[in-house]
Amino acid sequence: KAGVTQTPRYLIKTRGQQVTLSCSPISGHRSVSWYQQTPGQGLQFLFEYFSETQRNKGNFPGRFSGRQFSNSRSEMNVSTLELGDSALYLCASSSGLAGAGPTDTQYFGPGTRLTVL
Amino acid sequence: AQKVTQAQTEISVVEKEDVTLDCVYETRDTTYYLFWYKQPPSGELVFLIRRNSFDEQNEISGRYSWNFQKSTSSFNFTITASQVVDSAVYFCALSEFSGGYNKLIFGAGTRLAVHP
Repeated sequence: KAGVTQTPRYLIKTRGQQVTLSCSPISGHRSVSWYQQTPGQGLQFLFEYFSETQRNKGNFPGRFSGRQFSNSRSEMNVSTLELGDSALYLCASSSGLAGAGPTDTQYFGPGTRLTVL
Repeated sequence: AQKVTQAQTEISVVEKEDVTLDCVYETRDTTYYLFWYKQPPSGELVFLIRRNSFDEQNEISGRYSWNFQKSTSSFNFTITASQVVDSAVYFCALSEFSGGYNKLIFGAGTRLAVHP
């Protein structure tokens, strides 16, 4: 099976712009989660989608949003970019069928490295 | 309060040495899972192991072994006879029932450098 794919791999934007990142999960997986990784804050959970619905959300401002399509592919959008948004954005997929709580194993993609100038 | 603590920021060993990466977690949930992931320089997080809170059996997979002790809230990872290919950042993560769907709480990571 192909793994999780993320596009683009690298992105350079300037402050104030917006950006959209894409993630295609492992075939058959219906849950997609997004994480932000920075040197200062480490790995932080952004949100999780299943069947086109956001089921869980981390503590990020409303500038960070996401969506999921009927084929389980997901996009995340960051509006009005700030310098602090420079990070590696990781997408993870899981079956999503394990029920509420922590039982799914998440498999990660290679990430999109966003640089904000 | 930090929920997952990896006190070792960096570890440097010579090939064939054994190395243990420490992980201490904090949770009030009785149902939770613990994970270890490896992040090589390419950036992708590679899943290594998942352990649920009701299963304290230690696990061995090749050169890798994990020691889960609820009494000390620890989930340590040992690499036996380390190899250069083991060089990476290793993350311990916690997923709590109260955290909702698929929310992983990561430790800060331990950077392991294995030298020939």
